[in-house]
Amino acid sequence: QVQLVESGGGVVQPGRPLRLSCAASGFTFSDYGMHWVRQAPGKGLEWVAVISHDGSNKYYADSVKGRFTISRDNSKNTLYLQMNSLRAEDTAVYYCTKQSSILTTDFDYWGQGTLVTVSS
Amino acid sequence: EIVLTQSPGTLSLSPGERATLSCRASQSVSSSYLAWYQQKPGQAPRLLIYGASTRSTGIPDRFSGSGSGTEFTLTISRLEPEDFAVYYCQQYGSSLWTFGQGTKVEIK
Repeated sequence: QVQLVESGGGVVQPGRPLRLSCAASGFTFSDYGMHWVRQAPGKGLEWVAVISHDGSNKYYADSVKGRFTISRDNSKNTLYLQMNSLRAEDTAVYYCTKQSSILTTDFDYWGQGTLVTVSS
Repeated sequence: EIVLTQSPGTLSLSPGERATLSCRASQSVSSSYLAWYQQKPGQAPRLLIYGASTRSTGIPDRFSGSGSGTEFTLTISRLEPEDFAVYYCQQYGSSLWTFGQGTKVEIK
């Protein structure tokens, strides 16, 4: 069965970096686009970034562009999110999600999320 | 960027009643790129509907999606106790994805 397991969250000071990881299993990781979606405490869902199946294309929400970098290692079935210059407003649960297919744009599997708290 | 506005913010209904949730886009969205998700407290979202009207695997047929252009609707024909949750619409356009702000369906 498909599993997405995020790690790397925690408490970090404003301006400091943090890297999230997402270990994928149960499907051919290298065939699918992958995304990060976040949810601030008590708030709605916010799409953060996408990376194509082979890593050649990456797109970001305006709120994180220039500060966050999405990447993947298909040999390790792992997705990453490098977050730099963190701000209080980046505090959220970060979900790793799988795009359902190359032809569709919905997310059929989600991890359980990892909490990032940006605070001094 | 396409903005999705969901209404109402909160829907108070009783089990067995019909729920109608609206998702309005600031510009036209391809029906192929409109999805609905359900989220319960403390859980990750779950895909309900994709392509505006196709149920995801294992989703009961009391859930249905419809609409086109800028107006989309999620309908729950008869609410079951497990359906009380927050629902989000999502769209894709120009290499960006956006979510609506959510509709909470609560027990009346």
